[in-house]
Amino acid sequence: DTAVSQTPKYLVTQMGNDKSIKCEQNLGHDTMYWYKQDSKKFLKIMFSYNNKELIINETVPNRFSPKSPDKAHLNLHINSLELGDSAVYFCASRGRGSTDTQYFGPGTRLTVL
Amino acid sequence: RKEVEQDPGPFNVPEGATVAFNCTYSNSASQSFFWYRQDCRKEPKLLMSVYSSGNEDGRFTAQLNRASQYISLLIRDSKLSDSATYLCVVNTRTYKYIFGTGTRLKVLA
Repeated sequence: DTAVSQTPKYLVTQMGNDKSIKCEQNLGHDTMYWYKQDSKKFLKIMFSYNNKELIINETVPNRFSPKSPDKAHLNLHINSLELGDSAVYFCASRGRGSTDTQYFGPGTRLTVL
Repeated sequence: RKEVEQDPGPFNVPEGATVAFNCTYSNSASQSFFWYRQDCRKEPKLLMSVYSSGNEDGRFTAQLNRASQYISLLIRDSKLSDSATYLCVVNTRTYKYIFGTGTRLKVLA
């Protein structure tokens, strides 16, 4: 069974559109994350939720809105897509304790045309 | 100054070589440290956590120097399959992880 899954794997869309990426984890973890990896391969944290509560919001434009309907799911909705949003978006989850490993989903490759 | 810095490489080494990567971090209050491995077009995966006393996992050895604020990864007897990008990760406060830009390793036959 896949521990952290994301859909879709690839997303190609036009500028100005609104799109969502979904993430689910079956590890029973309390904390989930969204990361963005740009063309220079730099992996940067965007959001984190713990027990459905937003705990990290890293100066991300408010066109990006995460939603956590329950502990196992963290979705990312992006409004008015821009060319600069093209990147790979990774979801991750983590168990309790700061030393716990993060497990990453396979990533969603978003291309904005 | 970036919070976590790594030499991007690439490090091109022959099979069987020993190679070492360093990573420096700026936040002296950082709590925990990790090395992740990322293959091309794949997600990052944990290689090993880094403990204060240093730790070893097979051919891989990780060290932490809190006084100088750096961590290192040593790979002995490099294999072709070790070719990947190695990401240094620092937990700067509860829940928050900062990734380095990664060091690319190519092991050559």
